Amino acid sequence: ELKVEQNPLFLSMQEGKNYTIYCNYSTTSDRLYWYRQDPGKSLESLFVLLSNGAVKQEGRLMASLDTKARLSTLHITAAVHDLSATYFCAVGRLVFGKGTKLTVNP
Amino acid sequence: SAVISQKPSRDICQRGTSLTIQCQVDSQVTMMFWYRQQPGQSLTLIATANQGSEATYESGFVIDKFPISRPNLTFSTLTVSNMSPEDSSIYLCSASSKNTIYFGEGSWLTVV
Repeated sequence: ELKVEQNPLFLSMQEGKNYTIYCNYSTTSDRLYWYRQDPGKSLESLFVLLSNGAVKQEGRLMASLDTKARLSTLHITAAVHDLSATYFCAVGRLVFGKGTKLTVNP
Repeated sequence: SAVISQKPSRDICQRGTSLTIQCQVDSQVTMMFWYRQQPGQSLTLIATANQGSEATYESGFVIDKFPISRPNLTFSTLTVSNMSPEDSSIYLCSASSKNTIYFGEGSWLTVV
């Protein structure tokens, strides 16, 4: 059974700082997704990572995938308040992690 | 990208009743899925909606409780049957298009 673990589950950070969210999964998969969810909203697709070593960047967010380690990271650079949201990783047939609730403080 | 519309967006339902949620995609897609997100929780896959055949349910979900239809490549429905307060949740439709899986806005159900 595929299991997906995210950490941390809660992250409070200051504007301008950098941080990384981790996503580990238990069995081999050929793709990994990152989503953003704002309170009261649905999920917004951020990245789809399809191969080992894949790296994608959009604005202050960068995602990478290491299929051998079964690990993906979502790196936040110079955080701003607008990045406050819950971030989910999902693997395979969309087994979701528990989500990381990010709060960026002024 | 695929644009997914769900109806209703919100509803308050009486215990014991059933509600059908509709999901419309703006393009033909092979795969459609239904998820549940309970308050403050992550998403759980209910079933894969198969066009022309019965849906494939995940462990813990059964057809009698969550009947699903998929009459064509752009439309699906999920019915939540004989609702109880434990069914209060967000129900999300999703579809696979060009290596990405997109989500509808969700249907927020409260059972009283």
